[in-house]
Amino acid sequence: EAGVAQSPRYKIIEKRQSVAFWCNPISGHATLYWYQQILGQGPKLLIQFQNNGVVDDSQLPKDRFSAERLKGVDSTLKIQPAKLEDSAVYLCASSPLGGGDAYEQYFGPGTRLTVT
Amino acid sequence: AQSVSQHNHHVILSEAASLELGCNYSYGGTVNLFWYVQYPGQHLQLLLKYFSGDPLVKGIKGFEAEFIKSKFSFNLRKPSVQWSDTAEYFCAVTSKAAGNKLTFGGGTRVLVKP
Repeated sequence: EAGVAQSPRYKIIEKRQSVAFWCNPISGHATLYWYQQILGQGPKLLIQFQNNGVVDDSQLPKDRFSAERLKGVDSTLKIQPAKLEDSAVYLCASSPLGGGDAYEQYFGPGTRLTVT
Repeated sequence: AQSVSQHNHHVILSEAASLELGCNYSYGGTVNLFWYVQYPGQHLQLLLKYFSGDPLVKGIKGFEAEFIKSKFSFNLRKPSVQWSDTAEYFCAVTSKAAGNKLTFGGGTRVLVKP
């Protein structure tokens, strides 16, 4: 079974530029998550989708961050404009819908963003 | 709101030593608890999980964790570590009431000296 795919793996941009990250979850997983992991901290949930609907985006800085999952499969997270404090690893995770397995999330390799 | 605290930020130990990493959570309802591991250069992987039943949970690679409800704790243990256990370890909690939102602790970096 293929895992969660993310691209790019690394990105360096200047502040005020825009950037986009892509995630393809495990096939059949209805729920998709985006996390931000700042160096030295644990991952923090930015947004959670169930199919193509948003379940929780309470910690997403909506003035500069946006995310979509139009067809209920892959997803894109965008930052525009980027700030220095956005430097972090952006993790995508997915989980199946329903049952006890719904609680277990599978993580992708992440995208390391450096804003200069 | 749920939160997780991990007591140690860095742990250094020698091979064959025993490891115990502390994890406390704050949430009064029914929770599901996890330990994830991130080996150098790799992505987060699940070590073990607790949903219900026996509070002593066995995971992969010889790890185990004990859920003590009265102490709101879920400490991770391994009796004898190997150099390959060098990694960062994250405790996490989720609950149905929180919409399965996974809240992570700050992580503990473990360095095992050969």
